[in-house]
Amino acid sequence: NAGVTQTPKFQVLKTGQSMTLQCAQDMNHNSMYWYRQDPGMGLRLIYYSASEGTTDKGEVPNGYNVSRLNKREFSLRLESAAPSQTSVYFCASSTLWEQYFGPGTRLTVT
Amino acid sequence: RKEVEQDPGPFNVPEGATVAFNCTYSNSASQSFFWYRQDCRKEPKLLMSVYSSGNEDGRFTAQLNRASQYISLLIRDSKLSDSATYLCVVNIGSYNAGNMLTFGGGTRLMVKP
Repeated sequence: NAGVTQTPKFQVLKTGQSMTLQCAQDMNHNSMYWYRQDPGMGLRLIYYSASEGTTDKGEVPNGYNVSRLNKREFSLRLESAAPSQTSVYFCASSTLWEQYFGPGTRLTVT
Repeated sequence: RKEVEQDPGPFNVPEGATVAFNCTYSNSASQSFFWYRQDCRKEPKLLMSVYSSGNEDGRFTAQLNRASQYISLLIRDSKLSDSATYLCVVNIGSYNAGNMLTFGGGTRLMVKP
């Protein structure tokens, strides 16, 4: 089982560029999440999808959009990247009790 | 005030030592509680759930005090491989609403030979 996969692993963007972070899970989970992790801030929820066809804002949604393409895939889009979006991005999916995380995407915006 | 607060450390301990981490949470409606472990430059992984009665998994013991809104993790006989960041995690939502987790900033543990 691959679990949760994310692409790309690393990315450098210039301010104003756009990109989409991809996430897929093969565990048949209904719920999926996007977090960002910054030093000293812990993980903060950007968006989540409780089930296929639904998405909701988390704690820090500004500057991001998401698409729950199907049950397996949940993508995160930065329309116009800003230096404040430099971070490590984790995708996760969950059972009732446990969240499983992907390996992360390290994004730098210059 | 952060919803979940932890001492960031680092805690530097020798092999074989016992070390305890504490965590406080602010939302009294929190429903379930966890400790996750995160190795350097890796993703978080579930270490253990925390129950009101307390629970133990080998060298690890977790305790919950709902009245004080306080969670603890005790590691006995520390190993070099225990070096990591330990994240205190609280669930304030329901599964149908998406199993919402709130993460503390993490406590870094470094176990020295």
